[in-house]
Amino acid sequence: DGGITQSPKYLFRKEGQNVTLSCEQNLNHDAMYWYRQDPGQGLRLIYYSQIVNDFQKGDIAEGYSVSREKKESFPLTVTSAQKNPTAFYLCASSITGGFIYTEAFFGQGTRLTVV
Amino acid sequence: SQQGEEDPQALSIQEGENATMNCSYKTSINNLQWYRQNSGRGLVHLILIRSNEREKHSGRLRVTLDTSKKSSSLLITASRAADTASYFCLHDMRFGAGTRLTVKP
Repeated sequence: DGGITQSPKYLFRKEGQNVTLSCEQNLNHDAMYWYRQDPGQGLRLIYYSQIVNDFQKGDIAEGYSVSREKKESFPLTVTSAQKNPTAFYLCASSITGGFIYTEAFFGQGTRLTVV
Repeated sequence: SQQGEEDPQALSIQEGENATMNCSYKTSINNLQWYRQNSGRGLVHLILIRSNEREKHSGRLRVTLDTSKKSSSLLITASRAADTASYFCLHDMRFGAGTRLTVKP
């Protein structure tokens, strides 16, 4: 089955710890994205990558880091510098960057809770 | 920043009624897309409308685009309880705040 897989589904982090959220796609898409969603709110763009070995900050990149060493993978690290990391994190991919001509495909999300 | 702003924030209707949601944006667009999100889940693509299109249909969905007003609307006709979800517009990688639709049986 082609798709985009996020893991884990639920993640608990102690304050001061870094955690990494996984996002893998087998759709052969060039572009991948990370969004954050707070309860009852819309999605905000954290980082995006239009091609392997390249990525750009979105609107709320502070306290987050990413890498794009492989086309299929775009892991997101939530660092201890992120003051309020409890949220729902969604990963997406598209054939080309910016969703200019094509739709986005989304994973099922990771719910991160700071304990 | 969220470039798409949606209204209403919440909408409650009876099954069989039509639901209309609106999205406004600030910059020029190549396309505008609408997505649906069931509670606590990922987003599902509904429809994409290009900047040179004015209206598009998909089943019970109808999307219009007015580039002069920088706005789009999503109409769901003959709504069903299963349509209960949040609906978001997307352009330039940014989502609107969304409309939470409740369809009562």
